[in-house]
Amino acid sequence: KAGVTQTPRYLIKTRGQQVTLSCSPISGHRSVSWYQQTPGQGLQFLFEYFSETQRNKGNFPGRFSGRQFSNSRSEMNVSTLELGDSALYLCASRLTPGLAGYEQYFGPGTRLTVT
Amino acid sequence: DQQVKQNSPSLSVQEGRISILNCDYTNSMFDYFLWYKKYPAEGPTFLISISSIKDKNEDGRFTVFLNKSAKHLSLHIVPSQPGDSAVYFCAASLTGGGNKLTFGTGTQLKVEL
Repeated sequence: KAGVTQTPRYLIKTRGQQVTLSCSPISGHRSVSWYQQTPGQGLQFLFEYFSETQRNKGNFPGRFSGRQFSNSRSEMNVSTLELGDSALYLCASRLTPGLAGYEQYFGPGTRLTVT
Repeated sequence: DQQVKQNSPSLSVQEGRISILNCDYTNSMFDYFLWYKKYPAEGPTFLISISSIKDKNEDGRFTVFLNKSAKHLSLHIVPSQPGDSAVYFCAASLTGGGNKLTFGTGTQLKVEL
């Protein structure tokens, strides 16, 4: 079974631009979450989606948004990029949301560099 | 406010010996804890988890211990192998929190020959 895939793997953008990152979950997984990893803050939860609905959101500004499609694929968008948005963005998929014991599986991440 | 803390940014252990990675948390509402391993240029990989109703869970060379009164958990790896060299993250979740995991900042484990 293929794992979580994320595209692109690397991205360089300029301050003020916007960016869209894509995530395809493991086949059959319907729950997708996004995390931001930075050296200073570690891994921080951005949001989660299930059945095309955002179920939970972390403490990030409104410039960060996401969506999920009917095939469970998800995208996240960051508008008006700032230097501090440079990070590794990780997507995780799960069979079903919320139930303990069903672990989340992470993709390799998208490395975003804002210059 | 860092609710999950890993106070040791790095740990070096000899091959064959025990590796003990520690994690502390402040939110007593957390009821499920996980350990993830991360290699460079890869996403975190799930290792082992424990529910708050237990105090120990084993899976092969990996054992997680939970001390709820101290709000402390630890991961034991016995015996340590060079392939275990990676960054280890502990994470916590709570019922009703959906998929949200609160991660520690990670411990870089180096297993030396």
